[in-house]
Amino acid sequence: DTGVSQDPRHKITKRGQNVTFRCDPISEHNRLYWYRQTLGQGPEFLTYFQNEAQLEKSRLLSDRFSAERPKGSFSTLEIQRTEQGDSAMYLCASSLEDIEYYGYTFGSGTRLTVV
Amino acid sequence: AQKITQTQPGMFVQEKEAVTLDCTYDTSDQSYGLFWYKQPSSGEMIFLIYQGSYDEQNATEGRYSLNFQKARKSANLVISASQLGDSAMYFCAMRAWRMRFGAGTRLTVKP
Repeated sequence: DTGVSQDPRHKITKRGQNVTFRCDPISEHNRLYWYRQTLGQGPEFLTYFQNEAQLEKSRLLSDRFSAERPKGSFSTLEIQRTEQGDSAMYLCASSLEDIEYYGYTFGSGTRLTVV
Repeated sequence: AQKITQTQPGMFVQEKEAVTLDCTYDTSDQSYGLFWYKQPSSGEMIFLIYQGSYDEQNATEGRYSLNFQKARKSANLVISASQLGDSAMYFCAMRAWRMRFGAGTRLTVKP
């Protein structure tokens, strides 16, 4: 297991198009998180899965955003009708436990540019 | 609500010297974890060091140490003997429930 994988690394799309990102967490980690990072800022929490259940969604996750983790393994994040404000780095992370002393392992992120 | 503050948007340090990156946090939780991550230009968040709120000793990991002052709610990262490869963004984070991040400090190591 080589860590958390995200695909694609970069995505350029036209405004109004739909995009989908994939995250493959560390296999034994049943917790999965999506974060968004805009230029010059720290990552901001979007949503959290425990196995296949989506247990928490941030107010940042508008109706145009949807995330799934159908079999409790990989996850997808879809953005519909993209807007220029969606341009950001989308980071996926996984964790073994939901305890404060367990850190997250992050992927390399998907950098989205909406033109 | 949790809040993480990193007051230094950018820092410069001479190669082989030590540098301290500041981090303060605000929480009402009694049990929490403090983390530092490094983010090079490639984008990946690399875990550096962890400090638990009940740990009495400051954490150390190789050239990294965390100066934890619980009463002042500060968790500063100290990098000793800076190397050119240390140039990157550094993020302080806290986890009581979900991990929250500060805005980051861009460190530049000068030869």
